[in-house]
Formats: sequence, structure tokens, C-alpha cells
Amino acid sequence: GAGVSQTPSNKVTEKGKYVELRCDPISGHTALYWYRQSLGQGPEFLIYFQGTGAADDSGLPNDRFFAVRPEGSVSTLKIQRTERGDSAVYLCASSLYGSLQETQYFGPGTRLLVL
Amino acid sequence: ILNVEQSPQSLHVQEGDSTNFTCSFPSSNFYALHWYRWETAKSPEALFVMTLNGDEKKKGRISATLNTKEGYSYLYIKGSQPEDSATYLCAFLGNMLTFGGGTRLMVKP
Repeated sequence: GAGVSQTPSNKVTEKGKYVELRCDPISGHTALYWYRQSLGQGPEFLIYFQGTGAADDSGLPNDRFFAVRPEGSVSTLKIQRTERGDSAVYLCASSLYGSLQETQYFGPGTRLLVL
Repeated sequence: ILNVEQSPQSLHVQEGDSTNFTCSFPSSNFYALHWYRWETAKSPEALFVMTLNGDEKKKGRISATLNTKEGYSYLYIKGSQPEDSATYLCAFLGNMLTFGGGTRLMVKP
């Protein structure tokens, strides 16, 4: 079946604007994760969903970042009042049960550039 | 903040060379160590999930070992090929996955 997909693949926006990044996980996967990778660093955990609920949002850097997964499938990461420091690759991953020992399957990422 | 470190940061080898790199992580509260391979413009691809001290896993020419007591894992590539060029990421599982900074491998034909 299809893997994890993310849209858009690239997003350029101006400082202060609002952006939404979408993740479509593998069908049937209950767990969904968002990560952010800044240049020269490894991916950094943002938030984890089990079904529709955010099981752990401790990685969200501040209240400008918010994510939803209303029907337990597609998720949207929302960033308000974007700042240049938000420029990064935003990765989404999913896994079948949400056990952290499971393999997580990643999407190709959305490259966000804030000018 | 958990300290997961990978070395070297980058590595250039010739086709046919064997190579290895290291992931070091906290030796306490260990649940699992994940290895991923990330080619440019593609999705990170899972290589191994390692859970037991002394684990050795193999996938084709790539293998990995795990020492949870001293907090390190090695990834080995035998007979490197240009298509092995990628960034190799390890991720330590404590309460959540914490990634290292990656080792960028470039294999020259």
C-alpha cells in the first residue's frame, strides 16, 4: 500500500504568516508522530498522536505550534505567526500500534522556508 | 535533554571499502535503539530496531551491534556502494525517540 505522504513538499512563506502542513499516514496506523529537522541536526520530536488524541505534545516549542488529528487518520501541523527560526524540514511518521519499539514509517517531509 | 551523539559527522569512502560509524546514547532507561537511513529527497527508511544488549542485526551488507551497558551501537557497511550514500540516523528510545545528528556517508565510484 501507499506510504506516508506529506503535503506540500516545499513551502515558502513570509515571517508572520500562518502555515498548515499535512500528513497522511499509512492506512490503519493508529500512531502518528511529527518531528522537525533543522539544518545540521537530527530530527527533533514535536508531538505524538494515539488515535485522535495527542498522547504527548511535550516537544512543541511554543504556543504558536498546534497539531490536530480529528478523525484519527490525517494530521495537520499548524504554525501561527511564523518566524525565520521555524525554517526546517517537518517530518511525519506513523506506526501500527504506537509502541515506541515499533518501526516508525516516515514521509518525505515538508521543507518550510520562512523569509 | 538526552545526549545522543553520532560520529563521525561525515565520511567519504571509495566504492568497495567497508566502513562503520558509532551512535552513543545514555546507558540508563533504555528501551530501544532505532537506525534509519535517509537519502536526499526521500523518506527516512527504517533499518533496525534493537532492544537487547548484545543484539546483532543484519540486512544485506549492513549490520549493527548494540551495547546497552556502555551506551553505544555500531553500524557496519561491508563493501560500500555508491547507492549506500545517505545520512544514517540513530534514535534512542527513552520516553520518546531522540535522534542523533546523523552520519553523512558519501561513497565515491
